[in-house]
Amino acid sequence: EAGVAQSPRYKIIEKRQSVAFWCNPISGHATLYWYQQILGQGPKLLIQFQNNGVVDDSQLPKDRFSAERLKGVDSTLKIQPAKLEDSAVYLCASSLKIGQGYGYTFGSGTRLTVV
Amino acid sequence: GESVGLHLPTLSVQEGDNSIINCAYSNSASDYFIWYKQESGKGPQFIIDIRSNMDKRQGQRVTVLLNKTVKHLSLQIAATQPGDSAVYFCAESGGSYIPTFGRGTSLIVHP
Repeated sequence: EAGVAQSPRYKIIEKRQSVAFWCNPISGHATLYWYQQILGQGPKLLIQFQNNGVVDDSQLPKDRFSAERLKGVDSTLKIQPAKLEDSAVYLCASSLKIGQGYGYTFGSGTRLTVV
Repeated sequence: GESVGLHLPTLSVQEGDNSIINCAYSNSASDYFIWYKQESGKGPQFIIDIRSNMDKRQGQRVTVLLNKTVKHLSLQIAATQPGDSAVYFCAESGGSYIPTFGRGTSLIVHP
């Protein structure tokens, strides 16, 4: 089966600019997650969707980050305005349903550099 | 807050040796643990998991040991191969089964 697709692979922007990342999960996976992975650290959950509804966004910096999954399939994560500390890899993951840790599949991520 | 951490940031082994990667967790409410492998430029990949009602689980060339008394988790890789070179993360979760990741250990396998 096709994996989790993310684009772009790399993005370099100046601070205070905006940026958007796109994720297409595995077909049929109802649950979608966005993670932020700062260099040298483990991924940190930003937001979790179940179909097109938000389940948990407690770790999302809502003053600058937003995410949506309008049709319960693809998702976009936006940062506006970006800060230097937002430089990280943004990973998207999906699973068939909540509670399947072994069924978690990650995409390859988007590496964001803010200069 | 409570978090998952790893003892060693880098582990170097010779090809063919067995590798042991350790992890300490602090959340006593965690009941599900997962090991992930992350190769350069890729997302984390599931290796093996274990629930808190078990103390050992084996997969293909990998074994996870869980010691709930001291809140310690380890991943053993038998006959380590160059393709095993990667960063390994342990992750823990409670009822939500959403993994909380530790910092990671870089495994370097020398041919």
